[in-house]
Amino acid sequence: DARVTQTPRHKVTEMGQEVTMRCQPILGHNTVFWYRQTMMQGLELLAYFRNRAPLDDSGMPKDRFSAEMPDATLATLKIQPSEPRDSAVYFCASGSRTGIITGELFFGEGSRLTVL
Amino acid sequence: GNSVTQMEGPVTLSEEAFLTINCTYTATGYPSLFWYVQYPGEGLQLLLKATKADDKGSNKGFEATYRKETTSFHLEKGSVQVSDSAVYFCALTLNTGGFKTIFGAGTRLFVKA
Repeated sequence: DARVTQTPRHKVTEMGQEVTMRCQPILGHNTVFWYRQTMMQGLELLAYFRNRAPLDDSGMPKDRFSAEMPDATLATLKIQPSEPRDSAVYFCASGSRTGIITGELFFGEGSRLTVL
Repeated sequence: GNSVTQMEGPVTLSEEAFLTINCTYTATGYPSLFWYVQYPGEGLQLLLKATKADDKGSNKGFEATYRKETTSFHLEKGSVQVSDSAVYFCALTLNTGGFKTIFGAGTRLFVKA
């Protein structure tokens, strides 16, 4: 059963600490998205990659956030230093070229981050 | 700019009631339109989609028709169940230069037994 896997599922940390979230896209999918979900802002697109290359990271605060795809099976989202306003659920989603032409995304279960 | 607007929730219905969740969009070009559903503690999953004007997407008793003239993609179901309680997101994807997907704010649905 192919699915997007995210780790950790839950993370509680203190302000100023580094946080790294990881995502394993569905094998064969070449497009990966990072979204942030909060009650106030809803779903915000932070960044996305195609064939491991970043296509758009305009939604991401550049001073503290960074996103990478070290290889085709791993995407990372790093926050350094973390702040309480970063508390949210972070979702990774992936898609295949055929799927993305019609737009279907497959979401992971999310990483719930709490910054104290 | 490109955007999706959907009705605010929460929407509370009794079991077997008729459901409509309104969604309108603004887009340059010709987007594909989607409804995603999010159950508690889970990620979003695709419910249905339509890729061109007048297409009707359907799944699990839910339907939505791509209306280009009114830029709408309203979600409907004839008889809701308690298990349909979830958050529903309308979304569009523009098939130009990167296939970015834009989501609406989501509408929470509660169905009472």
